[in-house]
Amino acid sequence: EADIYQTPRYLVIGTGKKITLECSQTMGHDKMYWYQQDPGMELHLIHYSYGVNSTEKGDLSSESTVSRIRTEHFPLTLESARPSHTSQYLCASNSPGQGSSPLHFGNGTRLTVT
Amino acid sequence: GESVGLHLPTLSVQEGDNSIINCAYSNSASDYFIWYKQESGKGPQFIIDIRSNMDKRQGQRVTVLLNKTVKHLSLQIAATQPGDSAVYFCAENSNAGGTSYGKLTFGQGTILTVHP
Repeated sequence: EADIYQTPRYLVIGTGKKITLECSQTMGHDKMYWYQQDPGMELHLIHYSYGVNSTEKGDLSSESTVSRIRTEHFPLTLESARPSHTSQYLCASNSPGQGSSPLHFGNGTRLTVT
Repeated sequence: GESVGLHLPTLSVQEGDNSIINCAYSNSASDYFIWYKQESGKGPQFIIDIRSNMDKRQGQRVTVLLNKTVKHLSLQIAATQPGDSAVYFCAENSNAGGTSYGKLTFGQGTILTVHP
């Protein structure tokens, strides 16, 4: 039933590689987010966007970058992956307008950097 | 700083029992709270939410209670089923100033295990 899609689901890469994690949503949501989650731990916001050409850093410092060229697409890029980047990355979106509303999450990308 | 935490990291119940998962928050400006369920290998799934102008909200088999006096949130699951086994997260948002809406702060999570 997911309307927000993340690829790849799993990624194992070597140190120093550049990677892009893809996230797309078909719900027309203006707001999109990237959270980082270590196994069994809470989610930490690393990036968010309130619309096209809007990107902001989240509460947890991250060496990744994001872009928002299209409403439905919010990719996350690591220029040079390191073992410390090993984690699960979750993309989310919610409905436009003022006020809070539930986030819809994708199923995540589990990244392992060797 | 702002934080949301859970009292119990694990909870084991028998099928058919009622489950109660608790959460404490520290930001008195929080005005929106959500419970999520996360199954292994999946992203968090929305269960129920509540705004600070309410103290109780009911859904299908679930009830969320909010006590703003002691900054406490709980999720009650009636007639717990094996399919309810998952990690449950509470999250909060402060819309103070209208600049932080949508940015949720998550607690650590409680593992719920339901035994048949």
